[in-house]
Amino acid sequence: DAGVIQSPRHEVTEMGQEVTLRCKPISGHDYLFWYRQTMMRGLELLIYFNNNVPIDDSGMPEDRFSAKMPNASFSTLKIQPSEPRDSAVYFCASSLSNEQFFGPGTRLTVL
Amino acid sequence: TQLLEQSPQFLSIQEGENLTVYCNSSSVFSSLQWYRQEPGEGPVLLVTVVTGGEVKKLKRLTFQFGDARKDSSLHITAAQTGDTGLYLCAGASNTGNQFYFGTGTSLTVIP
Repeated sequence: DAGVIQSPRHEVTEMGQEVTLRCKPISGHDYLFWYRQTMMRGLELLIYFNNNVPIDDSGMPEDRFSAKMPNASFSTLKIQPSEPRDSAVYFCASSLSNEQFFGPGTRLTVL
Repeated sequence: TQLLEQSPQFLSIQEGENLTVYCNSSSVFSSLQWYRQEPGEGPVLLVTVVTGGEVKKLKRLTFQFGDARKDSSLHITAAQTGDTGLYLCAGASNTGNQFYFGTGTSLTVIP
């Protein structure tokens, strides 16, 4: 099993640009989570899906952030427009029971 | 808002020493998990504790869940350089599907 796959691994962009982060969960897992990790705030849950349906997006910082899960094998997290304070490592995780498996993360830098 | 506070935030010890990391909250959790994260990677689950007062051992690591299910500790005996990493605790919501991560403890074991 390849585990949770995220792309890109690194993204550097300029303020105001649109950023799209991608995630492929482990096959068969019915939960998918998006997290953001920074030194100041630690690991924060942004949104999670169950069977492709968004369940709780209360962690999404503001309307500039959106997430979709069009099918069981793919999810995106989009930031439009991006701002320097969005710089962080974004993790996707999937689970079947209560054990979450994390991807390697996408390190986003917004200049 | 961080529901789980970990202490210490940073810890640097010599190989062979023992250490304890604490995870505290005012909230009750249905279960609590401990993860270890290495640089450039996502967190990896070490253990899940469910019952108040439960103790689990994983080789040199001992995990304990508080009687009231509000706090937990991780004790490492005879630390090794391979134990170096960021240790995160995570409390599960009542539904068991949403996880609140602690502030993290960065451990460095010096040879």
